[in-house]
Amino acid sequence: NAGVTQTPKFRVLKTGQSMTLLCAQDMNHEYMYWYRQDPGMGLRLIHYSVGEGTTAKGEVPDGYNVSRLKKQNFLLGLESAAPSQTSVYFCASRTSSYNEQFFGPGTRLTVL
Amino acid sequence: GDSVTQMEGPVTLSEEAFLTINCTYTATGYPSLFWYVQYPGEGLQLLLKATKADDKGSNKGFEATYRKETTSFHLEKGSVQVSDSAVYFCALEGGYNKLIFGAGTRLAVHP
Repeated sequence: NAGVTQTPKFRVLKTGQSMTLLCAQDMNHEYMYWYRQDPGMGLRLIHYSVGEGTTAKGEVPDGYNVSRLKKQNFLLGLESAAPSQTSVYFCASRTSSYNEQFFGPGTRLTVL
Repeated sequence: GDSVTQMEGPVTLSEEAFLTINCTYTATGYPSLFWYVQYPGEGLQLLLKATKADDKGSNKGFEATYRKETTSFHLEKGSVQVSDSAVYFCALEGGYNKLIFGAGTRLAVHP
């Protein structure tokens, strides 16, 4: 089992560029989450999904979109990147029956 | 809304010292409580959890007790090691199984 994987590990963007972060899990988990981690602020939830084809907004959704076309994948998109989106992004997943979230290794994104 | 407050770091200790990292929460009802640990360059890993009042979570020598009266979930370890150096996050499970995290506390243990 690879667990939760994230692609890419690092990325540098210019303001206004777009990109997609990919999260994949091989544990057949129903729920998936995208967080961002900023110094002194812990992790904040961006969007989440409780099943294939469903998504919902978290605490800080503005400027991001997500899609969950397949159960194992959860994509996070930035349509027009801004310097305020410079952060480390973590994906997580869990089953519907056990309340432990499993985290990926993170993607470090810098927007210039 | 629900929130978690944990002590600011960094916490710097010598090896074999006693560790306490304070965590208090605000929530409606009685949510499950968690401690996650993040080692340098890695994602978060679950360290321990408690699902109801007076439960004690424990793992790798770390302990935390769910205190409803004081709305607290303080993390303790009797004798820290250099390998415990990491960032520790307290969290609660809110609505729709979402985790709400504290800001994190960096622990540095020196030989």
